[in-house]
Amino acid sequence: EDQVTQSPEALRLQEGESSSLNCSYTVSGLRGLFWYRQDPGKGPEFLFTLYSAGEEKEKERLKATLTKKESFLHITAPKPEDSATYLCAVQTQGGKLIFGQGTELSVKP
Amino acid sequence: DAGVIQSPRHEVTEMGQEVTLRCKPISGHNSLFWYRQTMMRGLELLIYFNNNVPIDDSGMPEDRFSAKMPNASFSTLKIQPSEPRDSAVYFCASSYGDSRFEQYFGPGTRLTVT
Repeated sequence: EDQVTQSPEALRLQEGESSSLNCSYTVSGLRGLFWYRQDPGKGPEFLFTLYSAGEEKEKERLKATLTKKESFLHITAPKPEDSATYLCAVQTQGGKLIFGQGTELSVKP
Repeated sequence: DAGVIQSPRHEVTEMGQEVTLRCKPISGHNSLFWYRQTMMRGLELLIYFNNNVPIDDSGMPEDRFSAKMPNASFSTLKIQPSEPRDSAVYFCASSYGDSRFEQYFGPGTRLTVT
């Protein structure tokens, strides 16, 4: 069964304290892995797409990496405005997009 | 660009009533997706259109749910009759190309069925 698991469920950081979020997946063929950010009361906002193992993408304080079994979203020196829920989604060979449950990140000043 | 537009933003209805949610995708995008988000099940894909044609409706929970896309700039998701377990936030998203590409989400419709 295709499955996407994100950990931790919640993460509390102090401003400037770097950390990583994990997205592990078990799917029948990976076409792409997506990271989204969701603020309370809003729709998810696209961050990155990764297509193959070894690929990396960066945007400001965020860096996404991909291996054959998991992806990491590294947050360097986070700020309070980085607080949000981060969603990972995997697209299978069949075209279906499966979302993880998300990691709720809170960054305190 | 105005982004994906959804209406209404909030809907409260009684069990058994018909509910219609509306979506206007980003101009030029040719794929449209309907999702449902709940605390228990997270974000689930309900149906996916490409060039106004339904490609994958395997996520539609049951026959009470139906979706249409009569043209490239409008789609509806209808629930008839509605039940309390349908309470959730419903998102519409669009993309340029097929489902391999990044999707842009609307603000969602929060549906409460009492």
